[in-house]
Amino acid sequence: DVKVTQSSRYLVKRTGEKVFLECVQDMDHENMFWYRQDPGLGLRLIYFSYDVKMKEKGDIPEGYSVSREKKERFSLILESASTNQTSMYLCASSSRVTEAFFGQGTRLTVV
Amino acid sequence: AQSVTQPDIHITVSEGASLELRCNYSYGATPYLFWYVQSPGQGLQLLLKYFSGDTLVQGIKGFEAEFKRSQSSFNLRKPSVHWSDAAEYFCAVSNFGNEKLTFGTGTRLTIIP
Repeated sequence: DVKVTQSSRYLVKRTGEKVFLECVQDMDHENMFWYRQDPGLGLRLIYFSYDVKMKEKGDIPEGYSVSREKKERFSLILESASTNQTSMYLCASSSRVTEAFFGQGTRLTVV
Repeated sequence: AQSVTQPDIHITVSEGASLELRCNYSYGATPYLFWYVQSPGQGLQLLLKYFSGDTLVQGIKGFEAEFKRSQSSFNLRKPSVHWSDAAEYFCAVSNFGNEKLTFGTGTRLTIIP
């Protein structure tokens, strides 16, 4: 079974903190993605990566950065958390022949 | 840019009744289409996908979807819903296979006894 694991289910951070969301997949997938989910807006793509050390901006990259030093791990970084980044964050991975599998999500609250 | 529209924010259906969730997409070339389901507090699970071939696609949990190019639609159907089908359903499109997805805003399904 493909497994995409996000390090935290719930996080509470303070405004201005640097926040790291970690995602690990165990199926050797080339592609990894970070989405943000908000009520009424569906899922929106923040960043994605098609290979190690490669990254591309999605639709809403402002205020975020990513890191992919190893194939199995894709980190989302909030450089200076703000209250408007309170949201559910979903990581996914896929390959050329396998559709996207999603993690359980991290619900981040910025206070 | 590609986009996906799910016109129904919330649908309520009686258990045992049939279901159709609507999805319209906007994309110039042949799209790759997906339906995902999200149960409360969970990640997304793939129900079915369309890449090419037969326009009627069978998925898991008794769901099916039909690709209609002329209507730019990919509606999800189930002949008889079960209480466990209560969830949020997302339609998505990509421009190349299993690469980045563009999602609709979702349809929340409530099942009443």
